[in-house]
Amino acid sequence: AQSVTQPDIHITVSEGASLELRCNYSYGATPYLFWYVQSPGQGLQLLLKYFSGDTLVQGIKGFEAEFKRSQSSFNLRKPSVHWSDAAEYFCAVGAQGNTPLVFGKGTRLSVIA
Amino acid sequence: EAGVAQSPRYKIIEKRQSVAFWCNPISGHATLYWYQQILGQGPKLLIQFQNNGVVDDSQLPKDRFSAERLKGVDSTLKIQPAKLEDSAVYLCASSPLTGSSYNEQFFGPGTRLTVL
Repeated sequence: AQSVTQPDIHITVSEGASLELRCNYSYGATPYLFWYVQSPGQGLQLLLKYFSGDTLVQGIKGFEAEFKRSQSSFNLRKPSVHWSDAAEYFCAVGAQGNTPLVFGKGTRLSVIA
Repeated sequence: EAGVAQSPRYKIIEKRQSVAFWCNPISGHATLYWYQQILGQGPKLLIQFQNNGVVDDSQLPKDRFSAERLKGVDSTLKIQPAKLEDSAVYLCASSPLTGSSYNEQFFGPGTRLTVL
């Protein structure tokens, strides 16, 4: 069965500092991996996705993520955090075709001045 | 392009009452999903439709939850009777059906249900 683990429930970073959010997955086949962001009262917005190819993927809002098969990880990074990045971040795994996503429990990001 | 629409955005009911949520997917999207997001957790699939047929409802508590997607467009999710543990955000998502290996899911803003 697919599963996603996000070890950090809550992270606080200073504005301008770098950010890394961790994600580990369990999946028997080649995973389709995603990072979503959810602001309060909003739906989920896709930041980036990995299907195959280059293991470093670029997304919107300056985010990137690196797929490491040997570590079953798909960590999200941003070199310089802005106050507007404060939100809940979800890592998810899916399979080929129109299949439902399996989400982690999320990491809440707080940004301080 | 209009996004996924959901209504109501918020609903407060007492336990044992019934409630219904509505979702209008992006035009032309064949696949529709309902997810339940309990506070502090990630979304979990309740039911998946393709056109007006059910693809996966294995996680839907069928003794109290029901969902339909008449005519393969709009969908409604109903809870009857509601329990305290049904308090959550109910997210609707839709995706197109193409020949691609994966079709992105687009999420609506959700309906926040509070059961007292």
